[in-house]
Amino acid sequence: EPEVTQTPSHQVTQMGQEVILRCVPISNHLYFYWYRQILGQKVEFLVSFYNNEISEKSEIFDDQFSVERPDGSNFTLKIRSTKLEDSAMYFCASRRDRGDYGYTFGSGTRLTVV
Amino acid sequence: GENVEQHPSTLSVQEGDSAVIKCTYSDSASNYFPWYKQELGKRPQLIIDIRSNVGEKKDQRIAVTLNKTAKHFSLHITETQPEDSAVYFCAAWGAGGTSYGKLTFGQGTILTVHP
Repeated sequence: EPEVTQTPSHQVTQMGQEVILRCVPISNHLYFYWYRQILGQKVEFLVSFYNNEISEKSEIFDDQFSVERPDGSNFTLKIRSTKLEDSAMYFCASRRDRGDYGYTFGSGTRLTVV
Repeated sequence: GENVEQHPSTLSVQEGDSAVIKCTYSDSASNYFPWYKQELGKRPQLIIDIRSNVGEKKDQRIAVTLNKTAKHFSLHITETQPEDSAVYFCAAWGAGGTSYGKLTFGQGTILTVHP
């Protein structure tokens, strides 16, 4: 079964540093998402991406965050200057087309900001 | 935007008992409601879902009911087993405009099934 692949599985970074979280969505999927989950809390929407542009972003997704699909296969989330409160599990997800309700979630990247 | 409330936050049952988790949503345009099971440190796994044109759906020991008028939906697990212990999340699918396809999650329910 096709999978959404995320790397790295765990990243530790110093506060103020830039991080890039990488995702490889399923190849024929058109809709891409980033969600995050702070430890012990619910899964929260960050951003949706379709046709090479952001469709919607949440209040969490401020100027420190950006997404990119640089080469048609990777989908990246960049945090420019990490804060302690950015520590969370970040899940990438993809969906095939508009009529497809099924999300495929990646296995997540645990980001720890120290 | 959509708001999803989930109750209870924790649920403890004996093996073989039933478990019920309830969610309410605010956006009447939402038309798809998945339930996810999440084990510690893992990704959410879809266990069952329901679309707004259906009132109930069952898959072996798991069922989901939807009341569109009241804007609430529930997960029912019968004959619970210790391996059902996990965190369960409900979610609602954004159906309007740029929110189309966005999932709004409930706060989660920690289900513990005691042998």
